[in-house]
Amino acid sequence: QLQLQESGPGLVKPSETLSLTCKVSGGSISGSNYYWSWIRQPPGKGLEWIGSTYSNGYTNYNPSLQSRVTVSIDTSKNQFSLNLTSVTAADTSVYYCARLGFTVDCPHWGQGTLVTVSS
Amino acid sequence: DIQMIQSPSSLSASVGDRVTITCRASQSISTYLNWYQQKPGKAPRVLIFAASNLESGVPSRFSGSGSGPDFTLTISSLQPEDFAMYYCQQSYSTPLTFGGGTKVEIK
Repeated sequence: QLQLQESGPGLVKPSETLSLTCKVSGGSISGSNYYWSWIRQPPGKGLEWIGSTYSNGYTNYNPSLQSRVTVSIDTSKNQFSLNLTSVTAADTSVYYCARLGFTVDCPHWGQGTLVTVSS
Repeated sequence: DIQMIQSPSSLSASVGDRVTITCRASQSISTYLNWYQQKPGKAPRVLIFAASNLESGVPSRFSGSGSGPDFTLTISSLQPEDFAMYYCQQSYSTPLTFGGGTKVEIK
């Protein structure tokens, strides 16, 4: 059964870089025909797609965040990562990783991790 | 960007009621539409993918229908554990977008 688990710091200072990793188990990222994505949800608000990567390294980002976001994939470790630069309090959210993209396949989500931006 | 408009934004219903939530896309998205249930402090749970496919383990009282711009999530007989937020999401084109959510509350 496919499982995704986010990890990374729960507290990031303003202007610094938020870095998260999503470890995938129960299936291989390498060679799969799936998109691997990051989504976030500010406290008490709705869901926002951040960006996606494909197994060949192709990436696609939300234009609203594109200048600050990098999503990368490491097939040797069966994981993918998110970097969000120059964070502010508005970036405080629960961050989810997911197998989710531009297909009709069933999505699979991680449990999410809360990242707070504060000094 | 494709806008996803959910209605209603909230509803009150009783156990046993039939509940319908609609989602309208700002352009045709074929059947690239997923439905999620979310409870406080939890990750979204996939209920329906590709507009009408029931995810494994999801009770059969949940069903989805529609294509193009208009979609429906139906709960045939509302159960106590169904009181939650529900979101639709399109996977047709970038950026992936979500509806604003529907809160299902106890009457």
